[in-house]
Formats: sequence, C-alpha cells, structure tokens
Amino acid sequence: ETGVTQSPTHLIKTRGQQVTLRCSSQSGHNTVSWYQQALGQGPQFIFQYYREEENGRGNFPPRFSGLQFPNYSSELNVNALELDDSALYLCASSLAGGLVYGYTFGSGTRLTVV
Amino acid sequence: GQQVMQIPQYQHVQEGEDFTTYCNSSTTLSNIQWYKQRPGGHPVFLIQLVKSGEVKKQKRLTFQFGEAKKNSSLHITATQTTDVGTYFCAGLGGYSTLTFGKGTMLLVSP
Repeated sequence: ETGVTQSPTHLIKTRGQQVTLRCSSQSGHNTVSWYQQALGQGPQFIFQYYREEENGRGNFPPRFSGLQFPNYSSELNVNALELDDSALYLCASSLAGGLVYGYTFGSGTRLTVV
Repeated sequence: GQQVMQIPQYQHVQEGEDFTTYCNSSTTLSNIQWYKQRPGGHPVFLIQLVKSGEVKKQKRLTFQFGEAKKNSSLHITATQTTDVGTYFCAGLGGYSTLTFGKGTMLLVSP
C-alpha cells in the first residue's frame, strides 16, 4: 500500500500561465478528490472523480478542470493562473466515497503564482 | 450550501492540560469526519461519526456527535507535545464530498 502520491511537491508559476498537477491514488481506491488549502484555512473542495467521471464540483471557476484515468490516477489543470491561486493543492482518494475509512490525503503540491 | 464552523481558532495549552474543539454546521449532517494536520503536513483521517449522540474514543481523544447531528466536539485529555497540529471537522455532503471547517490550531508547551 503506497498511499496517495502527488507531483510536483512545489511549483512556481507566473500569472496567466497554465499548470497541471498530478495524483496517484492509493491502491484500490476508485474515488479521487481535489482540494485547495490557502494558508491558515481548511481545505476547500474543488471537484471529485469516480470511475473517470466528475461527480461533484465545488465553487471554483471553469478554468479549474480535471481528469481521472483508468488506473484511477488524476490530474488537476488550472488555466490563466491568478495570484489568489497560490495555495496547497491536496489530492485525496477513498474507497466507497470515504464512508468507512475516510479519505487518504497526499502530501500536496505547493503552488506559488507570482 | 453547507457551512461548517469551528471554535476556537487557536489554543495554546501546557502539556497535561485538556483541550476541546467544537464544530457546528448550518445544516444537519449525515455524518462527520475529523482530521488532524501536523504543521507542514497533510490532513490525516482520525474518525467518522454517523449516529445521533454517538461518542467514540481513541486513547486520549473523545469524539462526540450531537443529538441533532448539527454539532460535534473533539476532546483531548492530558495533552502531549505530539498532539500539536490543526484539527479539522468535515461534514459529508453530496457524493460524499467533504466540507471542512477552518480548523483549530493546537499548540502544546512542554
């Protein structure tokens, strides 16, 4: 059991650029969620994928998009980066929607937009 | 939409003192989960509460779910320096997505 791995760990981008963050879910987990955590705040739900389909979306604009692949790994894409997008981006995977054992979070990608 | 509030925002205790954080939801929760995030780390699942009035214990940690399923609490007895971190409650919404509170940061001085 390898847990949830995210890459890269840190990233610096310029305003207006695009970024792709990657996540490998824990073995056996079929649901992947993405969260944005600003400094000193709780994680905010971006969207969730189950079996390659988006089945939930938080209050984020369309320039935040994602994918889930057949092996349940996932990508988060952000276009037209803004300074406020600077945050820790967390990927979380679960089995059965986290209803039994909760969600397993990755260590996150720290994105800085300058 | 669902909103989850936590108090206090921050608490600093001496090692051995007790600690409690409270979580309140604007809507009735189907269930609630608690996570701990160490400084510089990521959230780690602690427990899930499902039933009205449920109480669960994990060693020195006691979790409660309110009778109306709109509030919850986490109590730590005799804190240790290893308890340092931010404790989040999170309500499960549609498709089991999580709505997190802002968390309570706990500092423990030896």
